[in-house]
Amino acid sequence: DSGVTQTPKHLITATGQRVTLRCSPRSGDLSVYWYQQSLDQGLQFLIQYYNGEERAKGNILERFSAQQFPDLHSELNLSSLELGDSALYFCASSVGPETSGYEQYFGPGTRLTVT
Amino acid sequence: LAKTTQPISMDSYEGQEVNITCSHNNIATNDYITWYQQFPSQGPRFIIQGYKTKVTNEVASLFIPADRKSSTLSLPRVSLSDTAVYYCLVGPRTGGGADGLTFGKGTHLIIQP
Repeated sequence: DSGVTQTPKHLITATGQRVTLRCSPRSGDLSVYWYQQSLDQGLQFLIQYYNGEERAKGNILERFSAQQFPDLHSELNLSSLELGDSALYFCASSVGPETSGYEQYFGPGTRLTVT
Repeated sequence: LAKTTQPISMDSYEGQEVNITCSHNNIATNDYITWYQQFPSQGPRFIIQGYKTKVTNEVASLFIPADRKSSTLSLPRVSLSDTAVYYCLVGPRTGGGADGLTFGKGTHLIIQP
């Protein structure tokens, strides 16, 4: 158990809908990262927040957005869902602000299926 | 952006030492090399990180030659439970933005009895 929690574990929804994925980082960690993993694309970095502020941005679509709240939990919002958005979404956390200098702890993931 | 190249898959047998090499010809002076392990439907798990020469922990060793254009993750005496995907990441410890978070497709290691 990494100490990172993600909800829900599974999510099935229809095209065009909007969903919110939630992540709680390990106690003491200030950075939260979001990743998307699909069979054909591998593990793709989406976005990082550190202490409430966006720190780094990767291959995140404009239909996707995220935020980190004062209690440090984070939410990833996915809108106008398409079939291709079906994937595993992982959240990770680390203690510091830098993207690769600190060990990241990954959550169990949310499996999103868009039908 | 320091791109990495790893073998797509490898296989070995229980009890053997396994070495997975990652090529990173464009590695920058301030880049570090980090390896993660991922089991199916689970999040990746940090294995080891290094900058040069050799780093060893209770799980693996990381060998980095002087030119740092490649690195080798060494897993001693593997077991069936080491079957997983292994990712090599290269990026700076500070100010790297998204550069150090490119996981790529990784190396699928299969351990046979």
